[in-house]
Amino acid sequence: GENVEQHPSTLSVQEGDSAVIKCTYSDSASNYFPWYKQELGKGPQLIIDIRSNVGEKKDQRIAVTLNKTAKHFSLHITETQPEDSAVYFCAASKDTDKLIFGTGTRLQVFP
Amino acid sequence: EAGVAQSPRYKIIEKRQSVAFWCNPISGHATLYWYQQILGQGPKLLIQFQNNGVVDDSQLPKDRFSAERLKGVDSTLKIQPAKLEDSAVYLCASSLMGFGGRGYTFGSGTRLTVV
Repeated sequence: GENVEQHPSTLSVQEGDSAVIKCTYSDSASNYFPWYKQELGKGPQLIIDIRSNVGEKKDQRIAVTLNKTAKHFSLHITETQPEDSAVYFCAASKDTDKLIFGTGTRLQVFP
Repeated sequence: EAGVAQSPRYKIIEKRQSVAFWCNPISGHATLYWYQQILGQGPKLLIQFQNNGVVDDSQLPKDRFSAERLKGVDSTLKIQPAKLEDSAVYLCASSLMGFGGRGYTFGSGTRLTVV
């Protein structure tokens, strides 16, 4: 079955700097890769996603890149703000199948 | 639209006791998932329903966990008897039929502490 690895487990950056979180997946049939943000006491919230027929997608300060050959995808947050502090999860799935999550990255943005 | 509702928000029980969690998905969402999220880890799928039928329960510890989704709407997840290692947040998610991961909406979860 699918296995998703995520690095780093914790990431501390200064406000205004960029943050990058990386994930790798094992099942080459996976074709949907979302990123979730989870704040304390809340469920995961979708922030951006990408499908396997696209190499990069951007939404304001957030971007995701996908390398199908290497089976890895990354989340890029530019101009980080304190409110970006949260736990971020990557995930992978095949079309209508369930999501398999990574282990999470705790991002801390210091003012 | 209303989100995925879960209750209770918190529950503390002693080991070997029983506990039940409730989930009300988004109206019209045929697929419902229960995930277990242990502190410091990513959510792990326990069971997936399509309407009121089970699609995947391969990761559900069936000797102590059970789940049902009557009438294809609300769902309950039960643990009997609970163990210390069951301490976790139990997340419910729902999606439109056929959308799978692309249409997930999560509830806020139930935090279970087993002492």
